[in-house]
Amino acid sequence: SQTIHQWPATLVQPVGSPLSLECTVEGTSNPNLYWYRQAAGRGLQLLFYSVGIGQISSEVPQNLSASRPQDRQFILSSKKLLLSDSGFYLCAWSVLEGYSYNEQFFGPGTRLTVL
Amino acid sequence: DAKTTQPTSMDCAEGRAANLPCNHSTISGNEYVYWYRQIHSQGPQYIIHGLKNNETNEMASLIITEDRKSSTLILPHATLRDTAVYYCIVTFGNEKLTFGTGTRLTIIP
Repeated sequence: SQTIHQWPATLVQPVGSPLSLECTVEGTSNPNLYWYRQAAGRGLQLLFYSVGIGQISSEVPQNLSASRPQDRQFILSSKKLLLSDSGFYLCAWSVLEGYSYNEQFFGPGTRLTVL
Repeated sequence: DAKTTQPTSMDCAEGRAANLPCNHSTISGNEYVYWYRQIHSQGPQYIIHGLKNNETNEMASLIITEDRKSSTLILPHATLRDTAVYYCIVTFGNEKLTFGTGTRLTIIP
């Protein structure tokens, strides 16, 4: 069966510090991968998605970046965190090849607080 | 521009059917209606999706009007564990999902 892991579960970082969040998927090959952010009391915002190794599409311009060094690994990074980067970060995967619908499976999330 | 409109919040008594409406008046012919829910502090969970016909699975039923401009998600026997934010999303079958603010459903004992 497929599983998705995210770490860390919670993180408190000072403004201006770097960030690295990791997401890994097991039990599937060539998944589409997604990074979402949910600010307090708001809906989910798609940040990045990837259809393959090294292929990243950015949805919202910001000081965050994403990388996909391996098929089932997706990393969210920042060189300098802002207060507005606080939120709940969710990684998700889906398999679209051969499927006619888009069911995404979400990880447990990382709650980031920037102070 | 939002493709869907949902009430901000709803209450439902435990054991009763919860009916969550969604308006999507600008839906195009090949766009699907998806429903996800998000329980507090967790990632969203897929519930059901449909194109034209009504759909039912072990979690819920989806009723889509004949003109496809609105739909209703039905949880037939709501339990306290169904308390969550429910998102109605309109998208083509293999495109990105855009989550709005959803409906916060509270199941009352």
